[in-house]
Amino acid sequence: GAGVSQTPSNKVTEKGKYVELRCDPISGHTALYWYRQSLGQGPEFLIYFQGTGAADDSGLPNDRFFAVRPEGSVSTLKIQRTERGDSAVYLCASSLSGLAGGGETQYFGPGTRLLVL
Amino acid sequence: RKEVEQDPGPFNVPEGATVAFNCTYSNSASQSFFWYRQDCRKEPKLLMSVYSSGNEDGRFTAQLNRASQYISLLIRDSKLSDSATYLCVVNGGGRRALTFGSGTRLQVQP
Repeated sequence: GAGVSQTPSNKVTEKGKYVELRCDPISGHTALYWYRQSLGQGPEFLIYFQGTGAADDSGLPNDRFFAVRPEGSVSTLKIQRTERGDSAVYLCASSLSGLAGGGETQYFGPGTRLLVL
Repeated sequence: RKEVEQDPGPFNVPEGATVAFNCTYSNSASQSFFWYRQDCRKEPKLLMSVYSSGNEDGRFTAQLNRASQYISLLIRDSKLSDSATYLCVVNGGGRRALTFGSGTRLQVQP
């Protein structure tokens, strides 16, 4: 079956531009997560959706970052006024319900490599 | 101090060797523990969950010590295909998100 997909796989943009990154979770998964991974580091949490609502956005670094999941399936991570420090791999993951005490397996997509020049 | 600490390595070992990785976590409210494997330029994939009673999956054995807040992974009879970064991961304490260590890089050499 299809796993988590993310588009684009690579994105190069200029400082100050706006970008959108898309995540298509595994069908039927209600929980969706965004993480960011910088070189040599583990993924860092950004935001978690349960259905259509953002249940935890405590990882978003500042108000330039925003994410939506309007129909409870596909999610878009939006970054305004990009900065060079935003360059990283943006990973999306999904899990079946997100409600099982945190022990559920999260399945990751291949990520979007963002480079801000 | 990071919430999950790992030795970054690299660990360079010959085929057939036994290698052990450790990590420590600081949040005593953590409830779930995992090892993920990440190949170069690929996404993390779950290797195994970790339980206090210890668990084994083929050549891989994981152990959790809640009192010491310490997690280990043992790989026996290393294969070339085991070369990857191994990420120590914890979850819980009121959050659904995973908290990752920086990873330990393993290079198995012929």
